[in-house]
Amino acid sequence: EVQLVESGGGLVQPGRSLRLSCAASGFTFDDYAMHWVRQAPGKGLEWVSGISWNSGSIGYADSVKGRFTISRDNAKNSLYLQMNSLRAEDTALYYCAKDRLIAVAGDFDYWGQGTLVTVSS
Amino acid sequence: EIVLTQSPATLSLSPGERATLSCRASQSVSSYLAWYQQKPGQAPRLLIYDASNRATGIPARFSGSGSGTDFTLTISSLEPEDFAVYYCQQRSNWPRSITFGQGTRLEIK
Repeated sequence: EVQLVESGGGLVQPGRSLRLSCAASGFTFDDYAMHWVRQAPGKGLEWVSGISWNSGSIGYADSVKGRFTISRDNAKNSLYLQMNSLRAEDTALYYCAKDRLIAVAGDFDYWGQGTLVTVSS
Repeated sequence: EIVLTQSPATLSLSPGERATLSCRASQSVSSYLAWYQQKPGQAPRLLIYDASNRATGIPARFSGSGSGTDFTLTISSLEPEDFAVYYCQQRSNWPRSITFGQGTRLEIK
C-alpha cells in the first residue's frame, strides 16, 4: 500500500524558514518523480514544485521560485521542501504527491494527508 | 503560464442525473489534462489522466474527453458519493509549470 506522510509544518513568522518532509513507502521511491501541491484554507489546489526520480529535472511555480527548494533522498525514501522567506500567502496545507509514471508524467496518483503551514506574526 | 478555467463554478444536480463539467485552457495542452475529485477534509483523488483515461479503481460512470484547449468530465449517473469539488490540471510543459483549474463544486440539488 502506497503511503505518503508529510511532516514539518507549523506556525512560522513572515520572513522565516521551514523545512517539510515526506516519508514514502509501499512503492519503489527512486523510480518516480515526486511533487508538492498546496491548498490555502478554503481555496483551490496549487502545484508548488516537482522533482524527477534522479533530481535531474526540477520545476517550481513562479510564486515560489527563488524561495523554495525541493530535494529528495532516495536512500531514505524521503522528499523535502525547504521554504525560505515565507510570506503570509504561503499559508496552506502542503501535500506530498507521487507522480503517476516512472518517467515524469506530471500528474499525481497518490497523495499524503498534508501538513499545515501557517505564516503569521 | 497556462491558465485553466473551469465552468460552472457550482453545479447543482440530483442523484441519478448526468453531470457535465468543463475545463478550458488558455493555450493548447494537447491531451495532457487530468481530473481530480476532492471531498471535504480529504486529499484529492486522481480520476482521469491524459484527458480520457480512467485511473485505477475509478468507476466507469466517470469519463473524460477533449483535446487542445477544451475538455469535459462527465459523470453519467450521479451517486451520492460523487458530490464533491472537481479540479482539472494540465502538465503540458513540465517542468516549467503545472497548473490547476479553480475547481467546480458539484452539490446536491
